[in-house]
Amino acid sequence: DQQVKQNSPSLSVQEGRISILNCDYTNSMFDYFLWYKKYPAEGPTFLISISSIKDKNEDGRFTVFLNKSAKHLSLHIVPSQPGDSAVYFCAASQNTGFQKLVFGTGTRLLVSP
Amino acid sequence: EAEVAQSPRYKITEKSQAVAFWCDPISGHATLYWYRQILGQGPELLVQFQDESVVDDSQLPKDRFSAERLKGVDSTLKIQPAELGDSAMYLCASSSDLRVGYEQYFGPGTRLTVT
Repeated sequence: DQQVKQNSPSLSVQEGRISILNCDYTNSMFDYFLWYKKYPAEGPTFLISISSIKDKNEDGRFTVFLNKSAKHLSLHIVPSQPGDSAVYFCAASQNTGFQKLVFGTGTRLLVSP
Repeated sequence: EAEVAQSPRYKITEKSQAVAFWCDPISGHATLYWYRQILGQGPELLVQFQDESVVDDSQLPKDRFSAERLKGVDSTLKIQPAELGDSAMYLCASSSDLRVGYEQYFGPGTRLTVT
């Protein structure tokens, strides 16, 4: 049972445009959500997070939106840069006293010059 | 900049053989995680340590997998015997705290191929 889903395996965007990566979850107990970025031959790197008490969190070019009623979150990258080309993983956790991340399957983003 | 170290980076082994992976977390990080990432999927948590104690190993296949962190610093993940389906990337991560909101820092991983 895939509790965190990323239905788009890949996304291609031109440099300077907006990239929108989507993530859906099924477990209503999740209350903390994260995005990780992964380059080839490297481990995932934390990008941005959001708590369920918020609907938006912004960090520079990256903004995460959370729609709890739809169990949906999205990552917006504006403007997209070629260096953003990577695999992006959505992850979720519930507050059980310790952090246990459940990851989606990832979306490969390609930003072309 | 402090990093999580893992070795080996690549391992090829025959099925039924034993294999072991090593992880050295960022200095001072009490929480250590082992994940398995099968090709085309996201990382899946296998085991989580707080210091030398196991916090969660509910998804660790205990008939063949074992993990230890004897002194609460570095950790070893072992598979015995290895099966073809164990071919995957094994990632180690560490965090300064086990609670929600504390960033997990990942190592580069060990890519295991079982033939």
